[in-house]
Amino acid sequence: ETGVTQTPRHLVMGMTNKKSLKCEQHLGHNAMYWYKQSAKKPLELMFVYSLEERVENNSVPSRFSPECPNSSHLFLHLHTLQPEDSALYLCASSQEPSGTSTDTQYFGPGTRLTVL
Amino acid sequence: AQSVAQPEDQVNVAEGNPLTVKCTYSVSGNPYLFWYVQYPNRGLQFLLKYITGDNLVKGSYGFEAEFNKSQTSFHLKKPSALVSDSALYFCAVRDSNTGFQKLVFGTGTRLLVSP
Repeated sequence: ETGVTQTPRHLVMGMTNKKSLKCEQHLGHNAMYWYKQSAKKPLELMFVYSLEERVENNSVPSRFSPECPNSSHLFLHLHTLQPEDSALYLCASSQEPSGTSTDTQYFGPGTRLTVL
Repeated sequence: AQSVAQPEDQVNVAEGNPLTVKCTYSVSGNPYLFWYVQYPNRGLQFLLKYITGDNLVKGSYGFEAEFNKSQTSFHLKKPSALVSDSALYFCAVRDSNTGFQKLVFGTGTRLLVSP
């Protein structure tokens, strides 16, 4: 256990549905991340939050909407997704706020998303 | 822009033999390098990192990695492989000049250790 949990672990949704992914870290970290992992592709950084403020939006379509209500929780709201959005969505956290950090990112188990 | 290359999609090794998983990087500024492992249906698990200092870094589960600045490489090694080491391994680099902790990952190398 890394101290980062994600729910649900699996999600199947239609293109017209709205759903949310949840991430919670129990490590007292100040930064949280969303990544997308697709087959045969490198991990793609989607969003970065530091001290609950978004510091990176890596050209992600607006059908993905992140929310960070506090330093322990991170959500990814999904709406009108496309089949090509099917992937493993990973959440991570690290100790320090944004800056010249050498800190380690700790990952959750991921949510396997299938868009029909 | 920084990048990481893992030239092998898969590495096969017999249990008890030494293993090497290759990684080369390209980055401006000082490289901060990481290795992660991913078991089936799990997230990425941190193995080790190089920030500065000794070029040989020791990590979890008997793994180590050697930083070679002239060859821009950071190969992952283990003296004696176990069947349970079979997993997907990712190399990642963080450019120390970026304003926040952004990692760039390689495409991953699948390690298969046979009994």
